[in-house]
Amino acid sequence: EDKVVQSPLSLVVHEGDTVTLNCSYEVTNFRSLLWYKQEKKAPTFLFMLTSSGIEKKSGRLSSILDKKELSSILNITATQTGDSAIYLCAVVNDYKLSFGAGTTVTVRA
Amino acid sequence: DTGVSQNPRHKITKRGQNVTFRCDPISEHNRLYWYRQTLGQGPEFLTYFQNEAQLEKSRLLSDRFSAERPKGSFSTLEIQRTEQGDSAMYLCASSLTGGGNTEAFFGQGTRLTVV
Repeated sequence: EDKVVQSPLSLVVHEGDTVTLNCSYEVTNFRSLLWYKQEKKAPTFLFMLTSSGIEKKSGRLSSILDKKELSSILNITATQTGDSAIYLCAVVNDYKLSFGAGTTVTVRA
Repeated sequence: DTGVSQNPRHKITKRGQNVTFRCDPISEHNRLYWYRQTLGQGPEFLTYFQNEAQLEKSRLLSDRFSAERPKGSFSTLEIQRTEQGDSAMYLCASSLTGGGNTEAFFGQGTRLTVV
């Protein structure tokens, strides 16, 4: 059974802080790892990491894939209240995305 | 709008009734996925299509659930004889080629409430 575990389950920070979210996985036929941001609606795509692209950065967000450790981290620097959301990690095997339970991030002003 | 579209956005139904949801994927995407999400959980895979072929359906939650994609474009998810435990957000996603190197984009979801 494919398994994706995210930690922590939730955290509260103040504006300007840096957060680091973790995702570990056990899947067969790993293809890629995706990060999504979910507010009160459907998940919005953030990053895709693969064997050929293990580090991605966009503005204040960055992510790294560690294929040896079967894990990934998502960093958010200089957090803003608009970063408050659930962050989902999904691992792609041959045909499906398997999601973790998500990390709920709350950024207080 | 070229994103994934789902209808209806919200559905309230009485227990025992049948419901059907529709998903229109991004037009050039050949893979389409259905997921279910309950509060505090990540999306749970239900089934997926490669064009019109349903290649994996073992994760459909029971025989009350069925999905179709008759012409390889839009898809429908039907739940028969709904139960209160079916209350959830039903998400549709699509991707191109479906290989692991292509991201999947989600629709806004259909929130089902069974009363």
